[in-house]
Amino acid sequence: DSGVTQTPKHLITATGQRVTLRCSPRSGDLSVYWYQQSLDQGLQFLIQYYNGEERAKGNILERFSAQQFPDLHSELNLSSLELGDSALYFCASSGDRAGANVLTFGAGSRLTVL
Amino acid sequence: DAKTTQPTSMDCAEGRAANLPCNHSTISGNEYVYWYRQIHSQGPQYIIHGLKNNETNEMASLIITEDRKSSTLILPHATLRDTAVYYCIVRSFFGNEKLTFGTGTRLTIIP
Repeated sequence: DSGVTQTPKHLITATGQRVTLRCSPRSGDLSVYWYQQSLDQGLQFLIQYYNGEERAKGNILERFSAQQFPDLHSELNLSSLELGDSALYFCASSGDRAGANVLTFGAGSRLTVL
Repeated sequence: DAKTTQPTSMDCAEGRAANLPCNHSTISGNEYVYWYRQIHSQGPQYIIHGLKNNETNEMASLIITEDRKSSTLILPHATLRDTAVYYCIVRSFFGNEKLTFGTGTRLTIIP
């Protein structure tokens, strides 16, 4: 157990639908990162939050949005789902110390869009 | 973030040392070298990181050349459970920056 909790582990839905993926970071970590990994593809950075504020944005589609709440958990909202959105979605967290922060990843949420 | 170059795949016999190379010739002075691995469809797992000195922990050793343009991750006694994709990543010293994953090296441990 890495200390980063992601729910749900598996999710099957239909095209056009909307889903929400949830991430609870390790205790004390202020930064949350979201990554997407499609079948046989690399890990693509989507977005990062630090203490409730958006910190960095990657290749995140306009149909996707995220937020980090006061208790530091984060949610990734995926809407108007397409077949190509089927992927593993990973959340990671890191602490607030300057220097070589290590990202700790969760086990991922596997989304299947039919 | 500086770009890294790794071999696409490698094999290693079980029980032998696995040496995974990485080139990062454009690394800057404020960037660390990180190694992560991803065992099939699991979340990436941190292995080790370093700035300019060699580092060792319970999982692996990291050897960084003096000019910092390349490094080698060493798994001293590889087991079948070490079969994974290994990522070498260069990341700013200034904390809380994202990790940018490349294609990594697919390491297969042969029984």
